[in-house]
Amino acid sequence: NAGVTQTPKFQVLKTGQSMTLQCAQDMNHEYMSWYRQDPGMGLRLIHYSVGAGITDQGEVPNGYNVSRSTTEDFPLRLLSAAPSQTSVYFCASSYGGSGYGYTFGSGTRLTVV
Amino acid sequence: QQQVKQSPQSLIVQKGGISIINCAYENTAFDYFPWYQQFPGKGPALLIAIRPDVSEKKEGRFTISFNKSAKQFSLHIMDSQPGDSATYFCAASKNTNAGKSTFGDGTTLTVKP
Repeated sequence: NAGVTQTPKFQVLKTGQSMTLQCAQDMNHEYMSWYRQDPGMGLRLIHYSVGAGITDQGEVPNGYNVSRSTTEDFPLRLLSAAPSQTSVYFCASSYGGSGYGYTFGSGTRLTVV
Repeated sequence: QQQVKQSPQSLIVQKGGISIINCAYENTAFDYFPWYQQFPGKGPALLIAIRPDVSEKKEGRFTISFNKSAKQFSLHIMDSQPGDSATYFCAASKNTNAGKSTFGDGTTLTVKP
């Protein structure tokens, strides 16, 4: 049981490049979410999904796309990287409904130069 | 508009002391209040959580106190240990949108030996 697996762990991009951050979970969780963590700003929700084929925007969605074709996978795409997207990105999953906390991945540290 | 406000930003406690971290929320529809613990270089991990139908929940040395009328909840760490040194996040979500948790900005706890 691997939990939530994120790849890569580290990435350096040039401004304007695109890339996909991968996230996979093996717990059959309905809900999956992407957060970014910046110093002093806690965790801010980018996009989330309540099931395969269903996604919605969070607090800071601009510059990011997501899709959820399977229950297990929830990739995050950066369309045209900007220095403001330098951050640590966390994928999280949970069972549907309230009363269940998140299981987080170990994060991807992204630097955009 | 920040829906969950966490304080203090940082906290230093002597070994064996009590650590107290506070959070206040605005949205009365929130019905699930978890706390997460994060060590450097790792993803947050669910520590303890409470629903608004109880005023206190205890798990080992960790206790959540919940005041529904004041819209506040707090984490108490009894007999604090150096191994408790980490960043702690409070969060809140509602059953109708459990994939959309709102986090506080975090508290960095240092327990001195």
